[in-house]
Amino acid sequence: QKEVEQNSGPLSVPEGAIASLNCTYSDRVSQSFFWYRQYSGKSPELIMSIYSNGDKEDGRFTAQLNKASQYVSLLIRDSQPSDSATYLCAVNGGIYNFNKFYFGSGTKLNVKP
Amino acid sequence: DGGITQSPKYLFRKEGQNVTLSCEQNLNHDAMYWYRQDPGQGLRLIYYSQIVNDFQKGDIAEGYSVSREKKESFPLTVTSAQKNPTAFYLCACTTVRSGANVLTFGAGSRLTVL
Repeated sequence: QKEVEQNSGPLSVPEGAIASLNCTYSDRVSQSFFWYRQYSGKSPELIMSIYSNGDKEDGRFTAQLNKASQYVSLLIRDSQPSDSATYLCAVNGGIYNFNKFYFGSGTKLNVKP
Repeated sequence: DGGITQSPKYLFRKEGQNVTLSCEQNLNHDAMYWYRQDPGQGLRLIYYSQIVNDFQKGDIAEGYSVSREKKESFPLTVTSAQKNPTAFYLCACTTVRSGANVLTFGAGSRLTVL
């Protein structure tokens, strides 16, 4: 079983819509969760981090964490064509493995003008 | 790139050759990492180092070697033992934000075996 699972997509949404990206993880002791955006041919860049249950908002982005269900999601409001990229979910390895990070395979998002 | 410099950006290798990818950081971070990314796949950990002169194998260390002689530098050697080395290689460091470790990546090195 993979530590972090994501739907590979592609997820297509029209411009201005809400894009919803989901991720599940297997290690219950994981404590830190991240969303990275990766444009084609480029390296990942951090867009959101979340550490406690609930929602965390930053501009058009909202990260949601549910540790009991072991899932984390990313909502992108008012999606723009420039949001078209692959979104990687990452999970920190927990208190006994806090220096390791596990990544999902990414969800490709296409925002259509 | 957050002060993490990877070189070269593109590299071509003939089968049977060893190649070394450079990663330098000026962020004064202790922990450094090497990941490999294949098309349509997530990042897989090759090696990581938490302090100078110490490093640990990740999930796919076979065919790779590293050194950590200086805090600023963490070069990765792709040896001829690595059977499928064509991939995008990413170096990263951790920084602490809000009490948690966060990974920051360099621009990456794309290796192609001819």
